[in-house]
Amino acid sequence: GAVVSQHPSWVICKSGTSVKIECRSLDFQATTMFWYRQFPKQSLMLMATSNEGSKATYEQGVEKDKFLINHASLTLSTLTVTSAHPEDSSFYICSAISGTRAGNEQFFGPGTRLTVL
Amino acid sequence: AQTVTQSQPEMSVQEAETVTLSCTYDTSESNYYLFWYKQPPSRQMILVIRQEAYKQQNATENRFSVNFQKAAKSFSLKISDSQLGDTAMYFCAFEANSGAGSYQLTFGKGTKLSVIP
Repeated sequence: GAVVSQHPSWVICKSGTSVKIECRSLDFQATTMFWYRQFPKQSLMLMATSNEGSKATYEQGVEKDKFLINHASLTLSTLTVTSAHPEDSSFYICSAISGTRAGNEQFFGPGTRLTVL
Repeated sequence: AQTVTQSQPEMSVQEAETVTLSCTYDTSESNYYLFWYKQPPSRQMILVIRQEAYKQQNATENRFSVNFQKAAKSFSLKISDSQLGDTAMYFCAFEANSGAGSYQLTFGKGTKLSVIP
């Protein structure tokens, strides 16, 4: 199957700093990318949907000014957690799909563990 | 809005035995897709099986099969000849094919499956 990478795989930062997470589709062009957040022993919560070249669509309750998403190309989307606080500590997962047909498999990245001290 | 319910938080099965994981969903959509994703301890999400709602035939992928009951809005996953590598969280997911092109997945809370040697 197609491969999606995330970088970094884990990051520890101080409260108040910003952290950028990259999501790349390595062998296909991702028309749409998704960002999820997963707390321990819980399910994936969709944060936002991004399409290349357009603004991301955020889910209700997700602060767009805090979680900045940039989908600059068909292979790269970035999530920047601005002014991170301990409550932002979580596991962040991206996924990507190719094409515009419903029912396509979402290919997931391996996730990024963020710890804010 | 769609909801996906997995009523079994945890299950266990003996190696080589068969286990069935339950999933029910609620939707007003007539056309949609259903998925089972697996998240092993590595936390990498992996597609297990996919079902298109307009297809009455149950999907099968090697040892994995589903029992799709559209009228009952039920989508259970059967794992035959369970292997130690099947130990993982299993998430049931729903995607509406509403033509809006959102391709968003709605996940259930997951079932933690442990395969016992």
